[in-house]
Order: sequence, then structure tokens, then C-alpha cells
Amino acid sequence: ELKVEQNPLFLSMQEGKNYTIYCNYSTTSDRLYWYRQDPGKSLESLFVLLSNGAVKQEGRLMASLDTKARLSTLHITAAVHDLSATYFCAVDMKTSGSRLTFGEGTQLTVNP
Amino acid sequence: DGGITQSPKYLFRKEGQNVTLSCEQNLNHDAMYWYRQDPGQGLRLIYYSQIVNDFQKGDIAEGYSVSREKKESFPLTVTSAQKNPTAFYLCASSISHYSYNEQFFGPGTRLTVL
Repeated sequence: ELKVEQNPLFLSMQEGKNYTIYCNYSTTSDRLYWYRQDPGKSLESLFVLLSNGAVKQEGRLMASLDTKARLSTLHITAAVHDLSATYFCAVDMKTSGSRLTFGEGTQLTVNP
Repeated sequence: DGGITQSPKYLFRKEGQNVTLSCEQNLNHDAMYWYRQDPGQGLRLIYYSQIVNDFQKGDIAEGYSVSREKKESFPLTVTSAQKNPTAFYLCASSISHYSYNEQFFGPGTRLTVL
């Protein structure tokens, strides 16, 4: 059974600071996705990582994937209030098609 | 505009009633999915469909049923057998279930049992 764990689950940070969210998963996979969810809203796709060493950046967010360590990171640079949201990682396995297993989510609050 | 629509946005159910949540997509995607989200938690897969007239149970299918008679539509029925149905329900689609593809999500339906 594929398990996906995120940490921290809750993160409160000041504007302008940097921080990293971690996503660990239990079985071999080279396909990992990051989503953002605002309160009461649906999920928005942020990044799709499809190979070992993949790195993608969009604005103040950068995601990376290390398939050997079964680890993905979402790095936040110089946080701003608009980044406050819950961030989910999700993993699929080649044998299961695009069926995703989600982490519990990291609730990020950026304070002025 | 291409996208996924869900209706209704809010739904209230009395004990013992069946209710049906609608999900429609015009993205020409083959695969569709239903997830349940409880407060402060991640998403759990209820059912998914790889192609028209075919669907499979996910991790928490008990008390739910689906149909896939058209490519664009994947309705979810919450039956009276589902003992704790109050949750946020999200529908998603992807191009194909058989290869990697990111899933795109609808706006969700919030179901409350009275």
C-alpha cells in the first residue's frame, strides 16, 4: 500500500522568510504532483514532477523530486501573504495509472 | 471554456435519503474520479472510471454508487448506507488513466446531513 506523508502539517511563517515542505512516500514512484487548496475551494495544480532530479519553479515556489530517497520538497522563497493555503502532494504508481494517493496536506499561514 | 463542473455547490440530506452529485467535463478526458475530503484531511478516492461504461471502487466505496453512461458525465450517488456522508466531494478528470496525467478538479460539492 502506497503511503504519502507530509511535514509539517501546520506551518506559520513571517512574510519574507524561506521554508520547505517535505513529502515522503513509501513505494517506488517517479510521478509526483503538488496542489494548492484555498479554504473552501477546490484543488489547483501547481507542479508535475515526472523524473528523478526534476525541479520546477513558479514564482516563489520551487518543487523537486528525489525518487531514490522517495522524497519531494516544496520550497517557499520570501513568503508573501497570498501564499497562505493548504498544499498537498500526491503520488501515483505506474501500475495504477493515474490513480493518486494524497498526503494529509500542509496548512501554510504567512503572517505580515 | 473547457473545464469540470459540479452541482449543486451545497447539498443537504436528511437521514435515510439517497442524493446524487453531478459531475460534468468538456475536456474530452477519458478518466474521471470522485474524492471525499473531511475537514483538515487529505483526499480519499471513492470511485474512478477509466472509460465509458466502466468504473472501479476506490479506497472508500462503501455506501456510494456511480455510473458512466457518457464520457462527459460521472454522477455519484450517496446512499443511505453511507453512515457519515457529511463531507466535501471533489470530482476530477485526467486525459487517460493508463499513463501519467495530472488530474484537474471541479469546484466541489459540500454535502451536509441534517
